[in-house]
Amino acid sequence: QQQVKQSPQSLIVQKGGIPIINCAYENTAFDYFPWYQQFPGKGPALLIAIRPDVSEKKEGRFTISFNKSAKQFSLHIMDSQPGDSATYFCAASDETSGSRLTFGEGTQLTVNP
Amino acid sequence: EPEVTQTPSHQVTQMGQEVILRCVPISNHLYFYWYRQILGQKVEFLVSFYNNEISEKSEIFDDQFSVERPDGSNFTLKIRSTKLEDSAMYFCASSVLRGRGYTFGSGTRLTVV
Repeated sequence: QQQVKQSPQSLIVQKGGIPIINCAYENTAFDYFPWYQQFPGKGPALLIAIRPDVSEKKEGRFTISFNKSAKQFSLHIMDSQPGDSATYFCAASDETSGSRLTFGEGTQLTVNP
Repeated sequence: EPEVTQTPSHQVTQMGQEVILRCVPISNHLYFYWYRQILGQKVEFLVSFYNNEISEKSEIFDDQFSVERPDGSNFTLKIRSTKLEDSAMYFCASSVLRGRGYTFGSGTRLTVV
């Protein structure tokens, strides 16, 4: 029940395309859903996060869509660039029961020039 | 921008040896964490630390692991008797709020031979 399932495992798009990465969760107590970007040899870096009381959040070219009833959330990257090529992780946590983040399996995104 | 600093970046150790992984969290952060990422797998929570004590730990964090904040700046993870399966990337993180807005370090790659 603590799992977060992420798909696809890898994704290749052309520059300017809109890659979409999806995550699903079971634990309805989760109340914080961040997305992290990781470049090779680096730690995960927080991109954007959402709480379940909103259905969408945008920060620059990154948008999170959240569907509470379906227990799913997704990351959209508008006008993707080769510099966006990285591994993306979704995560979730439940503030009331602890501080741990439960991560998805990760998506390796490649944006071709 | 403030960073979480981890040393060393890579450590090779023999099975059965003790290792200490070091971290300097961001100075005004109050919550500290260790995560690990086995090659090709998801990021997994190990432990969180607040007010000089462990606030939460995972089932991975057994008796061979310990954490310490020996002074006002460093945060360490000790593995007492390393096993081959401890080979992973270990990430330190810190945050101002519990479980929110983590900043991760670049990690220490631990190789147990």
